[in-house]
Amino acid sequence: GAVVSQHPSWVICKSGTSVKIECRSLDFQATTMFWYRQFPKQSLMLMATSNEGSKATYEQGVEKDKFLINHASLTLSTLTVTSAHPEDSSFYICSAPPPSGIEQYFGPGTRLTVT
Amino acid sequence: DAKTTQPPSMDCAEGRAANLPCNHSTISGNEYVYWYRQIHSQGPQYIIHGLKNNETNEMASLIITEDRKSSTLILPHATLRDTAVYYCIVSPTTSGTYKYIFGTGTRLKVLA
Repeated sequence: GAVVSQHPSWVICKSGTSVKIECRSLDFQATTMFWYRQFPKQSLMLMATSNEGSKATYEQGVEKDKFLINHASLTLSTLTVTSAHPEDSSFYICSAPPPSGIEQYFGPGTRLTVT
Repeated sequence: DAKTTQPPSMDCAEGRAANLPCNHSTISGNEYVYWYRQIHSQGPQYIIHGLKNNETNEMASLIITEDRKSSTLILPHATLRDTAVYYCIVSPTTSGTYKYIFGTGTRLKVLA
């Protein structure tokens, strides 16, 4: 079936630095991808919708200048956490619906730890 | 806000059927019911979806009430590998392009 990958699977960065997370659809093209954040023992929280060829749509309360999203191609979306702080430490997950699909495919997630 | 409510946790004996309920009393006529599960520290995995008819696939069965205000996911013979958090989501299309709003889910523990 359709596969969505994320890179890296885990990353540790220092406070104040930026980190980029990639989300790729491996065998289908995705004009739309979604980014979620999940804190320990909590549910997934939608952060933004990534749109190929246009600006991302952010959910209320998500800082668009802090979480930069770029849908570079039909198979790649990136999330850059800028000036990361310890409270940004979380599990970041992306998803993508295939063009003729019914469900969405989720990536395996990226665990970010900011020290 | 999520449009679904689920019990926070359930236990099920291995080999028995696991019945996971979901309330979606404000569901609209064009909204489908989706079920996903998330095994610890992984991305969610699609299980099944339906509109108004009951559905079955190799993983599970989905029973939707006639008024569509609630549904039940049935894992017919639960195994230890079915231990996960199960999410019920309503979404207005089957194209998958509409965003998902996750509720709190049900943490299912399958007991040996």
